Amino acid sequence: GAGVSQSPRYKVAKRGQDVALRCDPISGHVSLFWYQQALGQGPEFLTYFQNEAQLDKSGLPSDRFFAERPEGSVSTLKIQRTQQEDSAVYLCASSHGQGNQPQHFGDGTRLSIL
Amino acid sequence: SQQGEEDPQALSIQEGENATMNCSYKTSINNLQWYRQNSGRGLVHLILIRSNEREKHSGRLRVTLDTSKKSSSLLITASRAADTASYFCATDRSYNNNDMRFGAGTRLTVKP
Repeated sequence: GAGVSQSPRYKVAKRGQDVALRCDPISGHVSLFWYQQALGQGPEFLTYFQNEAQLDKSGLPSDRFFAERPEGSVSTLKIQRTQQEDSAVYLCASSHGQGNQPQHFGDGTRLSIL
Repeated sequence: SQQGEEDPQALSIQEGENATMNCSYKTSINNLQWYRQNSGRGLVHLILIRSNEREKHSGRLRVTLDTSKKSSSLLITASRAADTASYFCATDRSYNNNDMRFGAGTRLTVKP
């Protein structure tokens, strides 16, 4: 069966450009999460959706970061006016959303800001 | 901010040896999970242990949890070269696995 799919796998942008990262979760998964992972570090929580509702965005580092999941399936993480410190791997995960079900991760998008 | 801290940061062993990684955390939790990440890939769930459990096994994996010390350990027995990866603990304060916080990870290298 299909897992979590993220695109693009690699993205290079110039500082100041806007970028959009896509996540296709596992079909039927209610919960969707975005994480930011710096080199050599663990994933840092960014935001969480339950269906189309964004229930927690406390991890978004600034108002340049915006995430949406308008139909409760595919999600997009948008970063406006990118800066060099935004360079990282952005991971998406999904889960059933009930009980102690594990999160299933995509392979991430590696974002490099020049 | 990250909740857990893994120890050691890096571990190098020979194939066939056992590998032990530790995780400490700060706040009360509902469950603790261990994940594995191969280079350039996403995280893969290994095992979940609830706050009322003390030990859990899955194949060559053994996880312990001591809530009084706010610590957990992951033991991989009879390691293989294919076990080479980064291992992360994640604590979850929720009952629906929607409030996970990861540590910085242990980088395990198993030499053939």
